[in-house]
Amino acid sequence: GAVVSQHPSRVICKSGTSVKIECRSLDFQATTMFWYRQFPKQSLMLMATSNEGSKATYEQGVEKDKFLINHASLTLSTLTVTSAHPEDSSFYICSAHPSGSGNTIYFGEGSWLTVV
Amino acid sequence: GDSVTQMEGPVTLSEEAFLTINCTYTATGYPSLFWYVQYPGEGLQLLLKATKADDKGSNKGFEATYRKETTSFHLEKGSVQVSDSAVYFCALSEAQNSGYALNFGKGTSLLVTP
Repeated sequence: GAVVSQHPSRVICKSGTSVKIECRSLDFQATTMFWYRQFPKQSLMLMATSNEGSKATYEQGVEKDKFLINHASLTLSTLTVTSAHPEDSSFYICSAHPSGSGNTIYFGEGSWLTVV
Repeated sequence: GDSVTQMEGPVTLSEEAFLTINCTYTATGYPSLFWYVQYPGEGLQLLLKATKADDKGSNKGFEATYRKETTSFHLEKGSVQVSDSAVYFCALSEAQNSGYALNFGKGTSLLVTP
């Protein structure tokens, strides 16, 4: 079946540094990918919609300058957390919708970010 | 706007007990409905889905029926196992409004004891 791969699965970074998370669709093309964030013991909140070849669409309250999203190809979207702070520590997960597949949605494995 | 409401957990059951996790939704159009499961320390896995009224999704002994009249999509399993311990998320997607982004409920934690 279709697979969405996220990398890294776990990352620890120092405050003030930036970290990049990749979301890759391995066997299908996705013009749209989504980035979610999950705080401990809470639900997933949509952060932004990543559109191939154009700017991402951010949800209200999400800082676009802090969470940089780049969807450079039909199989890759990246989320860069810039100038990370401890409060950015969270579980980040992406999903991808194969072009022309109706409502089929595939999730990556997620990435645990810890900012120290 | 669209929203999903799930029963609050944690839910603790003995092995082989019957499970019901309630989920209701509000939506402006005709959403697709999903149940996702998150095992400890892992990402999300699609458990089952239904795309229109009266559809029944099923997988691994779990079932949920899309009830438009009650705007519900309750998750059921006749006999739970210890390995079913996880967090379960009900979600909806309205392609015409959100382009396949998912709106999740808060999740229900299930613990099954031997």
